[in-house]
Amino acid sequence: EVQLVQSGAEVKKPGESLKISCKGSGYIFTSYWIGWVRQMPGKGLEWMGTISPSDSDTRYSPSFQGQVTISADKSIDTAYLQWSSLKASDTATYYCARLAYSSSSPDYWGQGTLVSVSS
Amino acid sequence: DIQMTQSPSSLSASVGDRVTITCRASQGIGNDLGWYQQKPGKAPKRLIFAASSLQRGVPSRFSGSGSGTEFTLTISSLQPEDFATYYCLQHNSYRTFGQGTKVEIK
Repeated sequence: EVQLVQSGAEVKKPGESLKISCKGSGYIFTSYWIGWVRQMPGKGLEWMGTISPSDSDTRYSPSFQGQVTISADKSIDTAYLQWSSLKASDTATYYCARLAYSSSSPDYWGQGTLVSVSS
Repeated sequence: DIQMTQSPSSLSASVGDRVTITCRASQGIGNDLGWYQQKPGKAPKRLIFAASSLQRGVPSRFSGSGSGTEFTLTISSLQPEDFATYYCLQHNSYRTFGQGTKVEIK
């Protein structure tokens, strides 16, 4: 069974750093891309970027370029989304999702990680 | 950037109704479009890929059509479990979601 299991909810202060994770199982992790999606409270879905775990080829949506870093560790079948300095506006639920190739639509999704940033 | 205009933003319908949701792309995207269902507090679930292909395990009352710039998701007979928010996603150039359509009980 294909599963993407994300790390737990986080409560942080503005200016702090954070790295959340997404662990794949039930499939060959390096054969699929991983994408990240943001959903701010009560709002719609926004695509952030994608990574190929096999070679770490990473592509960011223009709105998120320079705001976050996407990475992967293929030795432990895990992808990451990180911030160097959080802002209150980063408060959102973040989902990872699996893509068959770099330009496909995602099929399986993680359960989401809620990130709350407040002073 | 490709913009996706989804309509309506919300609708009220009764069990058994036929429901149609539309997404319009700002430029042609071929059939590079998926439809997703999201229930409160849950991750999105893919219903349709490649504009008209039904995801395995998804009931046949869901169907997708269109190509180029105009796409439609149809629910032929709305069921109680279908009350949710629906999103289109273009993946022809980067990826862009539609704004979402909330389907509520009339």
